[in-house]
Amino acid sequence: DVKVTQSSRYLVKRTGEKVFLECVQDMDHENMFWYRQDPGLGLRLIYFSYDVKMKEKGDIPEGYSVSREKKERFSLILESASTNQTSMYLCASSPPGQETQYFGPGTRLLVL
Amino acid sequence: AQSVTQPDIHITVSEGASLELRCNYSYGATPYLFWYVQSPGQGLQLLLKYFSGDTLVQGIKGFEAEFKRSQSSFNLRKPSVHWSDAAEYFCAVAGGTSYGKLTFGQGTILTVHP
Repeated sequence: DVKVTQSSRYLVKRTGEKVFLECVQDMDHENMFWYRQDPGLGLRLIYFSYDVKMKEKGDIPEGYSVSREKKERFSLILESASTNQTSMYLCASSPPGQETQYFGPGTRLLVL
Repeated sequence: AQSVTQPDIHITVSEGASLELRCNYSYGATPYLFWYVQSPGQGLQLLLKYFSGDTLVQGIKGFEAEFKRSQSSFNLRKPSVHWSDAAEYFCAVAGGTSYGKLTFGQGTILTVHP
């Protein structure tokens, strides 16, 4: 079974803090993704990576950055957290040439 | 650009009743289509997917979906709903790139009454 884990289920941060969300997959997948989920908006792609050190902007990259130093790990960084970044963050991975994505349990982030 | 619309934000059914969740997509070529389910506080689980071939696709938990190219639809169905099916359901489309980018619909929340 594919396993995607996220470092925290719940996180509370203050405005202006730097926030790191970590995602690890154990299936040697090339592709990894970060989404945010908000009620009524579904999932929106923030960034994705198709290889180590490679990244591409998704639909809503503003205010976020990512890091992929190792194949199994994909980090989402909020350089200076703001209240409008309060959301559920979901990580996913997929093999190359295969659109089926496997999701982690999500991190619910509250920025005060 | 590809897009997905789920017209129903919230659906309520009685346990044992049949279910149909609607999904309409916009994409220029043959799409790859997915249905995912999210139970409260959980990540997304794949229910089923359509890549090609038979337009009626069977998935897990007794769900099925039918791809209708003429209507640009991929509706999810279940003949008899169980209380444990209460969750949020997402339809998604991929454009067939090797990076596997998905575009999701807004989601449909399913409530099941006993």
